[in-house]
Amino acid sequence: DTGVSQDPRHKITKRGQNVTFRCDPISEHNRLYWYRQTLGQGPEFLTYFQNEAQLEKSRLLSDRFSAERPKGSFSTLEIQRTEQGDSAMYLCASSPGARTEAFFGQGTRLTVV
Amino acid sequence: DQQVKQNSPSLSVQEGRISILNCDYTNSMFDYFLWYKKYPAEGPTFLISISSIKDKNEDGRFTVFLNKSAKHLSLHIVPSQPGDSAVYFCAAYTTSGTYKYIFGTGTRLKVLA
Repeated sequence: DTGVSQDPRHKITKRGQNVTFRCDPISEHNRLYWYRQTLGQGPEFLTYFQNEAQLEKSRLLSDRFSAERPKGSFSTLEIQRTEQGDSAMYLCASSPGARTEAFFGQGTRLTVV
Repeated sequence: DQQVKQNSPSLSVQEGRISILNCDYTNSMFDYFLWYKKYPAEGPTFLISISSIKDKNEDGRFTVFLNKSAKHLSLHIVPSQPGDSAVYFCAAYTTSGTYKYIFGTGTRLKVLA
């Protein structure tokens, strides 16, 4: 399967713990996006990479959130000191260039208890 | 600031009839528009897109219409099928100064057999 892959699919964590999610984009897609989606809302932009460079970050991305794409291939999103308000579906997407569709992974469902 | 709006949270249509989903936007710098379909617990799946230099794009049962003067686009599904039942998201993209796709809040379509 050559789609966008996200791991894990589900994560339950206690408040205050750190979590890390991984995204493997479609190979040769140089653009990678992280979004967050909560119930009844559309996907909200978190951050964007072009190759290994993080070019844009949302105000939603507090200092507890950090994302990396060290070699321009896979990416990780880490949330430190999780809060209940972090519970959401975290979506990764990749695209080959501007004015093209982004392809989404299956998402990681985070539940903070 | 909701730059992309889907004012109808839900829509029910009889199988075989036309489904029309609407989307309004406020930013005149958007130059590329997309529709995504989402099933529960899955990531959004790309359906169809349209460039701002066009007013119509068709792909099988799906047609997207763009009215730039009204800052409005719509997705027509003809004929509607029960498998089309999902949440549909409108998204917009600009190549001016930002790199992100901005999503609406979605419309839940139910196609009744």
